[in-house]
Amino acid sequence: ETGVTQTPRHLVMGMTNKKSLKCEQHLGHNAMYWYKQSAKKPLELMFVYSLEERVENNSVPSRFSPECPNSSHLFLHLHTLQPEDSALYLCASSQDFSGSTQYFGPGTRLTVL
Amino acid sequence: AQSVAQPEDQVNVAEGNPLTVKCTYSVSGNPYLFWYVQYPNRGLQFLLKYITGDNLVKGSYGFEAEFNKSQTSFHLKKPSALVSDSALYFCHSSYKLIFGSGTRLLVRP
Repeated sequence: ETGVTQTPRHLVMGMTNKKSLKCEQHLGHNAMYWYKQSAKKPLELMFVYSLEERVENNSVPSRFSPECPNSSHLFLHLHTLQPEDSALYLCASSQDFSGSTQYFGPGTRLTVL
Repeated sequence: AQSVAQPEDQVNVAEGNPLTVKCTYSVSGNPYLFWYVQYPNRGLQFLLKYITGDNLVKGSYGFEAEFNKSQTSFHLKKPSALVSDSALYFCHSSYKLIFGSGTRLLVRP
């Protein structure tokens, strides 16, 4: 619907698992973002990539590892997560980094047991 | 510190009445202000933006916002609220990639 897709839509994982979230944008944008949305902090910026280079890393724990292999794809690799990491993870893209409208995917609802 | 503030966690309004969702900013330079809306189980959707020019900007679904530099505000408004406007609204400064804390709008029939 918005040109930004995320898979999976729902994910349940144990604290010792390793999983990955995938985001794909079909809009020809140059910048991509990962956000965490939870009840405690409605919208936290995690990572920003511009032209496949990471330009922002917002003090995110190392158990979250982003990867941007090309301008259309963005991954978030997860390992040894904690229950407090349970949240909605949103991906977004924009034409340029800073100053542009962001287009969001529907999110991945993550539950860590 | 640079920030975007939404002072109200929730706004309640009756259908047909005007609504206002407040946003103030503390950003150096041009803040590039946006409003986004989030419906349940969905990602955020763009409503409107102010980059430069006319201080009154019109957006989707009949919403508008006024950029007020002297009051450092960018309040979202709609003349007549609909029940379907009930959602979570976020103010955003794209220059500094800062989102406000969100305001839940509840429009009662």
